[in-house]
Amino acid sequence: AQTVTQSQPEMSVQEAETVTLSCTYDTSESDYYLFWYKQPPSRQMILVIRQEAYKQQNATENRFSVNFQKAAKSFSLKISDSQLGDAAMYFCAYRSEAGNTPLVFGKGTRLSVIA
Amino acid sequence: NAGVTQTPKFQVLKTGQSMTLQCAQDMNHEYMSWYRQDPGMGLRLIHYSVGAGITDQGEVPNGYNVSRSTTEDFPLRLLSAAPSQTSVYFCASSRGQGPSQPQHFGDGTRLSIL
Repeated sequence: AQTVTQSQPEMSVQEAETVTLSCTYDTSESDYYLFWYKQPPSRQMILVIRQEAYKQQNATENRFSVNFQKAAKSFSLKISDSQLGDAAMYFCAYRSEAGNTPLVFGKGTRLSVIA
Repeated sequence: NAGVTQTPKFQVLKTGQSMTLQCAQDMNHEYMSWYRQDPGMGLRLIHYSVGAGITDQGEVPNGYNVSRSTTEDFPLRLLSAAPSQTSVYFCASSRGQGPSQPQHFGDGTRLSIL
């Protein structure tokens, strides 16, 4: 079974600075998708960014980018120019390419942004 | 556009009571699932469905039942609530079964079992 590990329970960053959240995963599959979700205090689950394993190019969405290292099974999230609204729980998630498979989540990293 | 709607948002039960958490989506999504979120545990899958009439167990199915009689609705039933089921529950849906399809989450139900 696939597992997702987020080794940083909590992180903090100064406003306007850059922070990187770590995620590693374990799988024997070669085709899969990786996701980062944001959960603000409102409890909503918001998709931040998505990476297809077959793509070598790292995904980017505005201030959010990933460093995808397939051989190392690593999928870190970089937030540039951090804003107060970035404060939230961040979850890394894995989904197999095979059909009918659910998301497998890490335990999350709580990010605080300091003004 | 309502998306994924969960009701109720909050509920307190006594041990042994039964309850159904409702989940409805208006996006004609085939895939629906239920997760529970506990502190320090992330989201864990309870049950999921790939279409009307088809359900399957996830990582933590014990104590929960589901059914999928329509595409729109995917209720989660607790037949005899236990304090260990105190958690925040999320329903999610996505179009089709492809892993690239983003999952849409409801706002969650906070359930406390006394």
